[in-house]
This record gives sequence, structure tokens and C-alpha cells, in this order.
Amino acid sequence: LAKTTQPISMDSYEGQEVNITCSHNNIATNDYITWYQQFPSQGPRFIIQGYKTKVTNEVASLFIPADRKSSTLSLPRVSLSDTAVYYCLVGDRNGGYNKLIFGAGTRLAVHP
Amino acid sequence: GAVVSQHPSWVICKSGTSVKIECRSLDFQATTMFWYRQFPKQSLMLMATSNEGSKATYEQGVEKDKFLINHASLTLSTLTVTSAHPEDSSFYICSAREWKGNSPLHFGNGTRLTVT
Repeated sequence: LAKTTQPISMDSYEGQEVNITCSHNNIATNDYITWYQQFPSQGPRFIIQGYKTKVTNEVASLFIPADRKSSTLSLPRVSLSDTAVYYCLVGDRNGGYNKLIFGAGTRLAVHP
Repeated sequence: GAVVSQHPSWVICKSGTSVKIECRSLDFQATTMFWYRQFPKQSLMLMATSNEGSKATYEQGVEKDKFLINHASLTLSTLTVTSAHPEDSSFYICSAREWKGNSPLHFGNGTRLTVT
């Protein structure tokens, strides 16, 4: 099972770009990388998913180098409402995400 | 987008009683659902994998007789905490996946269980 390592916490200010890097040295060939956001007392919310290179949607970008041993979630121009815990997970999407394991996550605090 | 609904969102029960939590996939079929629990300031911990029409697969250290899981249809899985104790107080979250090759896991909004 691929495990992930992220910084425990990060601080930023409104309007800045935030980059959160996740290490997944043992990622398997069939694994996809998925990022979730969680607010207190809520379930995780899907942000973005990718396999390689770069993926962008309306809220974030995901950068994955060629060796896929790490990935970086980029949040452009964060606001106070982006204060949350961010989780990076790897799992076999086509295999049904069996036993998807959460790491500790990164607690992002956005300040005025 | 795909929606996973959990009910109730919070529940308070007395020690020794049982509590049932429902997890529904509202607009898609889910052959597999996952149950997690989360303690304050901690990450989600996978408890079990719920498979439609078959027995659930429990993670090591999770008592199957205490946390009964039933996945009777393609849109509903239930978790019953039996003979609840205060140490079972936690945030329980389910997730489900559409049976499409490019869909991520979707999570419910969780159920806060408090055992008094």
C-alpha cells in the first residue's frame, strides 16, 4: 500500500498561492493521486485527481513529476475559507480504491 | 456530481444501546462503500470495506461484532454500533465510488456519535 507524507501544517495569507507537496515513494503503476479538503465536522471533499504531468480544474492545479514519487497541490490566491486540512491519497482507481489509507494531512491556516 | 448522504448527521445515545448509521449514494450505484472513523484532530481511519451482497471486510483491530455493516443494495450501506460505550464516541464517515473508470471516491458528511 502506497503511503503518503505531507507537511503537518502550513500558514499563508489571503491572496497568496499555496503549494502543498506530498511524497509517495512507493506509488504503484496503477495508482492515481487524489487530493481532498476537509473542514471540521465534515466529510472530505474531492479537489483534484491526476496520474501524471499537470491537471488543472476550477479550484486547483496538480503537478506530478515524471517519476510520480511526489505531487504538489497548488491553490491560487487562497482566501480565509480555504483554511482546512488537505489530504493526499494514492490508490488504484480502476481497482476500486481498495483500502484507501489517509495520511496525517496538512493543516492549512490562511490569515487575513 | 455524485452525492453520498449520511444519516443521521449527529446522534447521542446511552451506553449499552445500539445506533445505526446509514450511508446512501444518491445518484449512482456503489458496489463498494468504505467506513471510516475520525477522532478529534486526527486523520480518518479505515474501519471496513462494505461490499454489496457479501460480508464486509474489516481492518485489523476493528471488531466485526461491535461494528455491524450491512450493504443490502447498490445504494445503501449501514453501520450499526452495538452496545455502544463512551469510547465509541467519534466521527463516522462513509465513502462510495461510482462504478466508472474515471471517478474518485465521494464522501458523506459524517455522523457525530456521542455515547453518554
